[in-house]
Amino acid sequence: QQQVKQSPQSLIVQKGGISIINCAYENTAFDYFPWYQQFPGKGPALLIAIRPDVSEKKEGRFTISFNKSAKQFSLHIMDSQPGDSATYFCAASNQAGTALIFGKGTTLSVSS
Amino acid sequence: GEEVAQTPKHLVRGEGQKAKLYCAPIKGHSYVFWYQQVLKNEFKFLISFQNENVFDETGMPKERFSAKCLPNSPCSLEIQATKLEDSAVYFCASSPTGGNTEAFFGQGTRLTVV
Repeated sequence: QQQVKQSPQSLIVQKGGISIINCAYENTAFDYFPWYQQFPGKGPALLIAIRPDVSEKKEGRFTISFNKSAKQFSLHIMDSQPGDSATYFCAASNQAGTALIFGKGTTLSVSS
Repeated sequence: GEEVAQTPKHLVRGEGQKAKLYCAPIKGHSYVFWYQQVLKNEFKFLISFQNENVFDETGMPKERFSAKCLPNSPCSLEIQATKLEDSAVYFCASSPTGGNTEAFFGQGTRLTVV
């Protein structure tokens, strides 16, 4: 399978700080890049997603930055809150939409 | 329904036994995806369906794994002759228009092979 590489593996941020998670992909045919949030014992839930025709998308405290030439995208969580503590997965899908390829996840802990 | 329903929530099988997992997609969603999550880490794609047709099965270990989505029935994922390494949480997701739009995940089935 085509890879999506995610870093860091874990992240500790102070309440009110900015959390930044990075992903890189290989396949230039990928055209949909979602971020999923997963709490323990739950299924992942879509947080925000972007397509390659834009370089940035913002929804509330969550922003995706996308660099098509570098084949990289990142999630920024502004004003991080303890309730944001979860595992975050980046993913990518090809144009056929037959599957999502996930990164290995980042466990975020926001300390109060 | 308005959510992806997976049953059972937990399943324990002895090595060599069969395991069968079920998934009812959100009503009106034509696409179903199965993923395996081991040790709370990355999701391994297994198979996807467009209605009852296999959409992509490149992730399926074909010797022991099989899956179906039949009309008017929950989708199923079956593992013959389970191995210890099959212990994982299996997630099903559904989407109205394919994997390049929002996929809604179920709560997963935790399979433990002992």
